[in-house]
Amino acid sequence: QKEVEQNSGPLSVPEGAIASLNCTYSDRVSQSFFWYRQYSGKSPELIMSIYSNGDKEDGRFTAQLNKASQYVSLLIRDSQPSDSATYLCAVRDNYGQNFVFGPGTRLSVLP
Amino acid sequence: GAVVSQHPSRVICKSGTSVKIECRSLDFQATTMFWYRQFPKQSLMLMATSNEGSKATYEQGVEKDKFLINHASLTLSTLTVTSAHPEDSSFYICSAKQGDRGPFSYEQYFGPGTRLTVT
Repeated sequence: QKEVEQNSGPLSVPEGAIASLNCTYSDRVSQSFFWYRQYSGKSPELIMSIYSNGDKEDGRFTAQLNKASQYVSLLIRDSQPSDSATYLCAVRDNYGQNFVFGPGTRLSVLP
Repeated sequence: GAVVSQHPSRVICKSGTSVKIECRSLDFQATTMFWYRQFPKQSLMLMATSNEGSKATYEQGVEKDKFLINHASLTLSTLTVTSAHPEDSSFYICSAKQGDRGPFSYEQYFGPGTRLTVT
């Protein structure tokens, strides 16, 4: 059973701080990793994808991947109240179509 | 690019009736579409995966005769909830993925969701 784990939160950070979201996965053959943001009552929105070890930056977001340790993280710099949402980590392997989602971490950015 | 639409966005139906939800990929051909259900404050639950022209693959515990999925074209998949009951009330979300050679082939893109209420 492939598993993706995340702390459910809520993770509370003050406005302007760095929010750090973590995700671990069980399947070593996983090759593709994604972070989705889901606002309450809305569907998930893709914000980052990462395929290679290391860091990938996009604006205030940085995804970090460590395949040896089987974890992927998302850093949000200069957090804003509008970043308050649930962040879903998803993992896909190269053998099929399957995406496995974590339960999500609820982030609350306090003004 | 990579826009997925769903219709309707919200539907209320009476117990015992059937409801059809459409999912369309607007600017790419979706070889694979996924259907999810999400109850309030809970995580996404994958219901089924459908490949164009093939029968859908249902997750364990999902009744295929109750949740009928049709993926007749590369841009359209439908989910029909048959003989709906109040416990079927939920947020239904589809997502789509392009085939393995396109620019949208690695990620999964979600539609805006359909909120179903069965009275």
